[in-house]
Amino acid sequence: GEQVEQRPPHLSVREGDSAIIICTYTDSATAYFSWYKQEAGAGLQLLMSVLSNVDRKEEQGLTVLLNKKDKRLSLNLTAAHPGDSAVYFCAVINNYAQGLTFGLGTRVSVFP
Amino acid sequence: DMKVTQMPRYLIKRMGENVLLECGQDMSHETMYWYRQDPGLGLQLIYISYDVDSNSEGDIPKGYRVSRKKREHFSLILDSAKTNQTSVYFCASRTGGEQYFGPGTRLTVL
Repeated sequence: GEQVEQRPPHLSVREGDSAIIICTYTDSATAYFSWYKQEAGAGLQLLMSVLSNVDRKEEQGLTVLLNKKDKRLSLNLTAAHPGDSAVYFCAVINNYAQGLTFGLGTRVSVFP
Repeated sequence: DMKVTQMPRYLIKRMGENVLLECGQDMSHETMYWYRQDPGLGLQLIYISYDVDSNSEGDIPKGYRVSRKKREHFSLILDSAKTNQTSVYFCASRTGGEQYFGPGTRLTVL
């Protein structure tokens, strides 16, 4: 089945700097890609989703890049601020009816 | 605004007791899910429900069962809870390719 690797597991970022999180997946039929943010003690907040026919998507200081050839998905947080401190998960799916396959998460800490 | 609710938020049970976790959504989504989240293992899929009384096992269904009698409610049941079922449980509902998660239930089985 699908396997997703996410790196790095931890990321410390100075306020105002950028942070990049990368996920690689194994199934070339993967159709839908999502990024979630989880703050301490909370549920998963959907940040952004892209279909497999999208290479790049930008929203509110976040950029998602999809490289299907390399089976790589990335999330770029531009100009990080303290509110970005959280755990970020990538999640993929090749059949909408099935469950998501998640990466293990990246804990992002933004310091002044 | 997509909203998924879960009750209770925290629960402590003794080994062998029965556990009922409730999930609700007001968006009339057909498909709902239960996941558990454990350190080092990430989120794992327990069960999927495609609609009322239409449920399917996920990746780790052993020790769990589910009930969906109304589209807006999806319950996770642990008959005779075990200590290794201590975890945070998340419910989600789906529209298109996007899944929306509830706030989670932290279950401790002593």
